[in-house]
Amino acid sequence: DAGVTQSPTHLIKTRGQQVTLRCSPISGHKSVSWYQQVLGQGPQFIFQYYEKEERGRGNFPDRFSARQFPNYSSELNVNALLLGDSALYLCASSPRQGAPSGYTFGSGTRLTVV
Amino acid sequence: GQQLNQSPQSMFIQEGEDVSMNCTSSSIFNTWLWYKQDPGEGPVLLIALYKAGELTSNGRLTAQFGITRKDSFLNISASIPSDVGIYFCAGLNYGGSQGNLIFGKGTKLSVKP
Repeated sequence: DAGVTQSPTHLIKTRGQQVTLRCSPISGHKSVSWYQQVLGQGPQFIFQYYEKEERGRGNFPDRFSARQFPNYSSELNVNALLLGDSALYLCASSPRQGAPSGYTFGSGTRLTVV
Repeated sequence: GQQLNQSPQSMFIQEGEDVSMNCTSSSIFNTWLWYKQDPGEGPVLLIALYKAGELTSNGRLTAQFGITRKDSFLNISASIPSDVGIYFCAGLNYGGSQGNLIFGKGTKLSVKP
């Protein structure tokens, strides 16, 4: 079975641009979460979606938005990119919201803002 | 954003040695998780702990859920070169509308053959 798939794997953008990152969860998983991992730090929670509804939001500005589609895949959008948005963006899927051991992470999208 | 206090930040050990790392929080969690992350990859779950005082093993790895629910420990016995990587603790409160992981800053493990 395929794991969590994220695309693209790497991305370079210019300050002020917009970016869309994509995530396909494990088949049968209905919850998708997004995390930002800055170099040298642990992942920070951005959003959680379950059954296509936003169920949690971390301490990130409104430039960050996300959505979940009927097939449970998800997109993370970041507008007006700043240099500080450079990070590894991780997607995690789980069978349901808050499944304790069910969080499986993808390999991430490495975003570089120049 | 909130991050757990994880120590040590890094460790350089000889192959065959045992390793201990810990994680503390100012707030309680009902689940503690330990992950390992290799370069260019996402975190991979090693051990999940669900009850205060619980001691759980996974091969050479042993982790404990602290009695106060504010801390957790991970031990690796007889380290081998493939143990190299960054280890993260994570706390989770699930139920209701909650379900997001709070991570530590990581412990970078280097093993000398």
